[in-house]
Amino acid sequence: RKEVEQDPGPFNVPEGATVAFNCTYSNSASQSFFWYRQDCRKEPKLLMSVYSSGNEDGRFTAQLNRASQYISLLIRDSKLSDSATYLCVVRGGADGLTFGKGTHLIIQP
Amino acid sequence: GAVVSQHPSWVICKSGTSVKIECRSLDFQATTMFWYRQFPKQSLMLMATSNEGSKATYEQGVEKDKFLINHASLTLSTLTVTSAHPEDSSFYICSARVGQGTSEAFFGQGTRLTVV
Repeated sequence: RKEVEQDPGPFNVPEGATVAFNCTYSNSASQSFFWYRQDCRKEPKLLMSVYSSGNEDGRFTAQLNRASQYISLLIRDSKLSDSATYLCVVRGGADGLTFGKGTHLIIQP
Repeated sequence: GAVVSQHPSWVICKSGTSVKIECRSLDFQATTMFWYRQFPKQSLMLMATSNEGSKATYEQGVEKDKFLINHASLTLSTLTVTSAHPEDSSFYICSARVGQGTSEAFFGQGTRLTVV
């Protein structure tokens, strides 16, 4: 079983729609959780950390379910500029990050 | 946020040659830096953890004699791909964290290596 699993997509979504991504992780000892955004041929950039209580940053909402080892990201009122690959990222006991393969999102005008 | 600078951005080299990639933390000291590799349509895979003043810790399956890591100062880590082969062609990215625990990781711009 892969350590961090995501649906690779692509998700084709009309502008203004709401879209949600899910991610599962296998290491129950994982301590920190993040969503990163990666544009084509660029380095990943942190979108938001994910907290157990759930957290929101503008149009983005992240949720964590430790019991199910499940992380989600919700994007409301999607913009063309949201088109990117969204990486689910987990940090376990060690310092290095474990990345999912990413979910490719395409926002269509 | 903190800045991590990685050079070169891209490099094309011949099989059998060695390529050095630099990763610098510009406005903070990084006792630990991380090197990742990403093949097309694949996730970033951690190759090694670079520790200032000591030997790097390599992930399983990564050849330490092929991917030489040197972390001689608190702001610079280098990755040298020795005797490069076409299968080493990939996107190499370094990252560093400010502090410990849940703090954000900042990434370099990445180096696209093509071995011909």
